[in-house]
Order: sequence, then structure tokens, then C-alpha cells
Amino acid sequence: NAGVTQTPKFRVLKTGQSMTLLCAQDMNHEYMYWYRQDPGMGLRLIHYSVGEGTTAKGEVPDGYNVSRLKKQNFLLGLESAAPSQTSVYFCASSYLAGGPFGRGTGELFFGEGSRLTVL
Amino acid sequence: QKEVEQDPGPLSVPEGAIVSLNCTYSNSAFQYFMWYRQYSRKGPELLMYTYSSGNKEDGRFTAQVDKSSKYISLFIRDSQPSDSATYLCAMTQRRAGTASKLTFGTGTRLQVTL
Repeated sequence: NAGVTQTPKFRVLKTGQSMTLLCAQDMNHEYMYWYRQDPGMGLRLIHYSVGEGTTAKGEVPDGYNVSRLKKQNFLLGLESAAPSQTSVYFCASSYLAGGPFGRGTGELFFGEGSRLTVL
Repeated sequence: QKEVEQDPGPLSVPEGAIVSLNCTYSNSAFQYFMWYRQYSRKGPELLMYTYSSGNKEDGRFTAQVDKSSKYISLFIRDSQPSDSATYLCAMTQRRAGTASKLTFGTGTRLQVTL
């Protein structure tokens, strides 16, 4: 089972360049998320989606855009990269509340991360 | 002040020790409490979750929630070198039909030595 797959795993950008991170999940999850993880800051939610064609802002959305054209994919875009966006980015997905496993906790399943450095 | 506070460590213990990891929080509306484990250069994975107050045990791991004190704990018994990882607490208000917008602690790095 692939679970949540992120590409690319590593990328170095120059200030002002643009790029897109791709997240794909094969668990038929409704919800998908993009987080960034920085030392001393923990995981912070950038944007999320509650279904195909929908997106919403999280805690730190500035400088990022997202799209969810297909249920299994969630794209994170940086239009003009800045050094402050150097971080490790994690994609995650979850079931609806009270999903097939009945947990109702909305457990997040994470990808392995994408390390982005902006020079 | 952050909504969730967690000591970053690092915490170094010998193999076989009992480990106590803790988080405090300020939002009394949090109802679901989770512990994620993150190995180096990997994504977090859910270790345990609890709803509201109380204890939950799973093998060598015990999660405790004290809502009156806004304090949660994770205990690891008979710690193993394979437990060496960063442990993240997370919590959410979680209303039915909404996304799991978790609030995470910064994580505590644990090193279990031989």
C-alpha cells in the first residue's frame, strides 16, 4: 500500500522561483492537508481540502496556493519562493468523521515529507 | 502563548526505563487527544488517541488526559532503542463532518540508549 506519496522529496529553489509539490493518496480519503514543519514551531497547517474541487486556508496560508482537481491529488504551489519558505512540507489525508474504521477521530495519514530550501 | 506547549527535549534514557512525555494546552474546547511518533526524516504516524479525560493503554504505551488540568501524558514502559523518535502531541475540537484541524505540539525528541 502506497498510502500518501509526496513528490519531489527534495528541492532547492532560488528566491522568486516557483514550484509545485504534488501529493497523491490511494486510500480514497475525502480530506487532504498541507503542513509545514519548522524547528521550534511544530507542524502548522497551510491549506486543506474537504473534497474534490474545494480548498480552505489553514493557519499559515500566505505565499501558497493549492488545488484539488482530483480526489486523490492535492497540489501545493509557491508562486514566488522566499527564504522564509525553507521548510519540510508534509501532506496528510483523513477519512470523514465516523469513517469506515469508526474511530471518529479523523486520524491523519502523513506522507514522508518534501524538504524545500530557498536560497 | 502557544495553544499547545511541549518540552522539545532531547530526552535521553537508558533501555528499559519508563519514559514520561507531556503536553499542556490552553483551549478547553479540545476533546480528542493524540500522540504521533515521527522517526527521523519520516512523516508522523498515529501512536495513540483518547477522547476526553481518562487513560488508554496499548502494549507498552499508556496515554493519559486530565482535562481539568489541561495536561496530557504519554508513558512508555520498558523503553527500547526502537522507541527513539520525536513524539508529537496533537489535539482537536473535532465536530462531526469537519476536517481534522489538529493543533500540534512542537514535539519531544527521545533517545533510548543501550
